[in-house]
Amino acid sequence: EVQLVESGGGLVQPGGSLRLSCAASGFTFSSYEMNWVRQAPGKGLEWVSYINSVGRITYYADSVKGRFTISRDNAENSLYLQMNSLRGEDTAVYYCAKDRGGGATPFDYWGQGTLVTVSS
Amino acid sequence: DIQMTQSPSSLSASVGDRVTITCRASQDIYNYLAWYQQKPGKVPKLLIYAVSTLQSGVPSRFSGSGSATDFTLTISSLQPEDVATYYCQKYNSAPRTFGQGTKVEIK
Repeated sequence: EVQLVESGGGLVQPGGSLRLSCAASGFTFSSYEMNWVRQAPGKGLEWVSYINSVGRITYYADSVKGRFTISRDNAENSLYLQMNSLRGEDTAVYYCAKDRGGGATPFDYWGQGTLVTVSS
Repeated sequence: DIQMTQSPSSLSASVGDRVTITCRASQDIYNYLAWYQQKPGKVPKLLIYAVSTLQSGVPSRFSGSGSATDFTLTISSLQPEDVATYYCQKYNSAPRTFGQGTKVEIK
């Protein structure tokens, strides 16, 4: 059974940093592209970042470019999101999501999410 | 960047009704269009990808159609368990933009 378990969320002050983790199991993690998606309270889904299976290609939403860094450790079956210079508008539930696989594909599995609150 | 626009933003229909949600891309996205269902308080779930291919386990009352820039999600007979917000997404390239969502309620 595929499982994605996020951790690392919490309350942080504006300008602060946080590192999110996503522990993957139940599939060959190193074979799949991965993503982070966020959802602000009461709002819609916003794609945040993508990383390819070997970690060499990454993409970011304009809203986080230069502040967030996606990475992965295939030996540890883990995905990460380093978030710096956090702003109030970064407050959201952050989901890690697995590509379905086989080229450009949608997200077939999602974690339960971890809440990030940016507030003083 | 390509924008994804859904309509309507919300709808209310009776059980058994046929429901249609539209998603429009600002440029041709070929067939790289997916639909997700997010029930209240739950994680998004992939319903349809490649415009019209049902993800495993998705009831056959859900269907997708369209091409290029105009796409449709149809629920042929609305059920109480279909109350949710539905999102379209383009996934051919970054940014993998979602539509703003369509909230479906029972009348």
